[in-house]
Amino acid sequence: ETGVTQTPRHLVMGMTNKKSLKCEQHLGHNAMYWYKQSAKKPLELMFVYNFKEQTENNSVPSRFSPECPNSSHLFLHLHTLQPEDSALYLCASSQDIQGYSPLHFGNGTRLTVT
Amino acid sequence: QKEVEQNSGPLSVPEGAIASLNCTYSDRGSQSFFWYRQYSGKSPELIMFIYSNGDKEDGRFTAQLNKASQYVSLLIRDSQPSDSATYLCATPKRDDKIIFGKGTRLHILP
Repeated sequence: ETGVTQTPRHLVMGMTNKKSLKCEQHLGHNAMYWYKQSAKKPLELMFVYNFKEQTENNSVPSRFSPECPNSSHLFLHLHTLQPEDSALYLCASSQDIQGYSPLHFGNGTRLTVT
Repeated sequence: QKEVEQNSGPLSVPEGAIASLNCTYSDRGSQSFFWYRQYSGKSPELIMFIYSNGDKEDGRFTAQLNKASQYVSLLIRDSQPSDSATYLCATPKRDDKIIFGKGTRLHILP
């Protein structure tokens, strides 16, 4: 496989469930990201990892918990979410976190919280 | 002022015409700019990036950057129905976090 792959593509969960989103990049990049995309809002940066170390937590509620075991894998653990957390969650990677490195996105996970 | 502003559209352009998409930014220190295309239900894909003032051409796409006026634009020549999508403008802030605009919906009329 090439590029950035995310699973699952769709997820429906209740507010008391625990689930995890998975992302894997096959590009040899050093940085990985989680973005949230809601209707009529810009892409919101959630977390940044560089060489598997977290460099950014953009004031994200603790019900979202990231994990980056190595430079190729990134998880987003979800617990007691709210309906307003329903959105498209996008994983991305870049060669490094410097501003000249473009982002490569996965296909996203469409999350619905009921 | 929003950090990256785009007209949300929709922008309707006849097939074969030139589509012009504009983006303004607030940080005078911004150095690099990216244009992403996002089809409905899909993830954004990079189509152009530009670092220097002036024009950069790639096939039917031309990116234009004017740092003095703090705007960057994307021109699509010979527009095709397959160009119908949302176009996102993005630039990194001083702390290297990439900030996106809300995107402009482009509709090419057959």
